[in-house]
Amino acid sequence: NAGVTQTPKFRILKIGQSMTLQCTQDMNHNYMYWYRQDPGMGLKLIYYSVGAGITDKGEVPNGYNVSRSTTEDFPLRLELAAPSQTSVYFCASRMGQGVVYGYTFGSGTRLTVV
Amino acid sequence: GDSVTQMEGPVTLSEEAFLTINCTYTATGYPSLFWYVQYPGEGLQLLLKATKADDKGSNKGFEATYRKETTSFHLEKGSVQVSDSAVYFCALSDQAGGGNKLTFGTGTQLKVEL
Repeated sequence: NAGVTQTPKFRILKIGQSMTLQCTQDMNHNYMYWYRQDPGMGLKLIYYSVGAGITDKGEVPNGYNVSRSTTEDFPLRLELAAPSQTSVYFCASRMGQGVVYGYTFGSGTRLTVV
Repeated sequence: GDSVTQMEGPVTLSEEAFLTINCTYTATGYPSLFWYVQYPGEGLQLLLKATKADDKGSNKGFEATYRKETTSFHLEKGSVQVSDSAVYFCALSDQAGGGNKLTFGTGTQLKVEL
């Protein structure tokens, strides 16, 4: 059981380049999330999705886009990379809303923009 | 808005020492509270949770009690092991029913030495 898989694990981008961070889950979870973690800070919610075809902004959505065409996949797109987007990115999923539904996190993507 | 404050690390302890990691929160309403753990190279894993005042969450020898009067959820373990070395995150959910996002603290790194 793979859980939540994120690729790549590490990436270095130049300013202005674009890339997609991939996130796939095999648990048939409806809810998926993207968080970023900056050094010395807690995780901040970027975007989330409550099901295929439905996405919504979190606390820090600027500079990012998402799509949810399938239940399994929730890619995060950076169009014009900026140094402020240097961070560790975590994808998470859960079956539903409510404290009984625990979150499953991926192992993260470490992104550096230079 | 909601916020979580936890003690800064790193915390370095000898094996079998007593552990306390402090966590306090600010929230409207009645949040659920969580401790997540991140082992090196892995994603965050739920360690324990509490959904209402005076609840005690426990797992793997770790405990935390939801204290509404002091808005705290301190993590404790009576005797730590080297294998407990990890980063620990305190978090809250913005609705008693689970909400749609987690608000995290900055994380506390624990190092346990022989």
